[in-house]
Amino acid sequence: QSALTQPPSASGSPGQSVTISCTGTSSDVGAYDYVSWFQHHPGKAPKLIIYELFRRSSGVPDRFSASKSGNTASLTVSGLQIEDEADYFCCSYAGNNNFVFGTGTKVTVL
Amino acid sequence: QVQLQESGPRLVKPSETLSLTCAVSGVSITTYYWSWIRQTPGKGLEWIGYIHYNGNSNYNPSLKSRVTISVDTSKNQFSLNLNAVTAADTAVYYCARYNWNDVGVGDFDYWGPGTLGTVSS
Repeated sequence: QSALTQPPSASGSPGQSVTISCTGTSSDVGAYDYVSWFQHHPGKAPKLIIYELFRRSSGVPDRFSASKSGNTASLTVSGLQIEDEADYFCCSYAGNNNFVFGTGTKVTVL
Repeated sequence: QVQLQESGPRLVKPSETLSLTCAVSGVSITTYYWSWIRQTPGKGLEWIGYIHYNGNSNYNPSLKSRVTISVDTSKNQFSLNLNAVTAADTAVYYCARYNWNDVGVGDFDYWGPGTLGTVSS
């Protein structure tokens, strides 16, 4: 199956909000509420921040929120902070015990 | 605190086997499923497969014919063998815990920092 499509980059000033899209198909994102989001600072281990579409992992601030509409899932980071600058990628269950990941988005805090 | 760390040869010749190991600390490897995921320049992130120590496993259909994932409970680690490699298998390989209780769908909740595996003669 094909990777989920994310914009290569997104940016915002401190305190602003940024929204990242993750577009799949009716066979993955559109079919299941099993979409997760990860934050990845290069050179470090990726961190699960959202699972099961909108649930925040333990310790993740409520500035991070997520949703889905049709075949597109979205992650919103509100009140941007310097430490939010990282790569973000999504992952969706694709049926038959299979998973597909997003192409990744680099978030820059201006 | 759950931690994962990948290790293994960084350079493999074409047609040979890429072998990587993931050392797990902070949790017994018998209590969860464990997975490998890779990131290539061309295809981005790609799920490779997962395994439970009881042998229950599942692989990405596109890689299934070349992949074996195994668990060593005595060392609390698990391994990836990818055979007949080509340059297209050059990637950063991540190990991750697949948190699944056999109901619904699980999550990749802890990852290692990744290791670059290069296929080149």
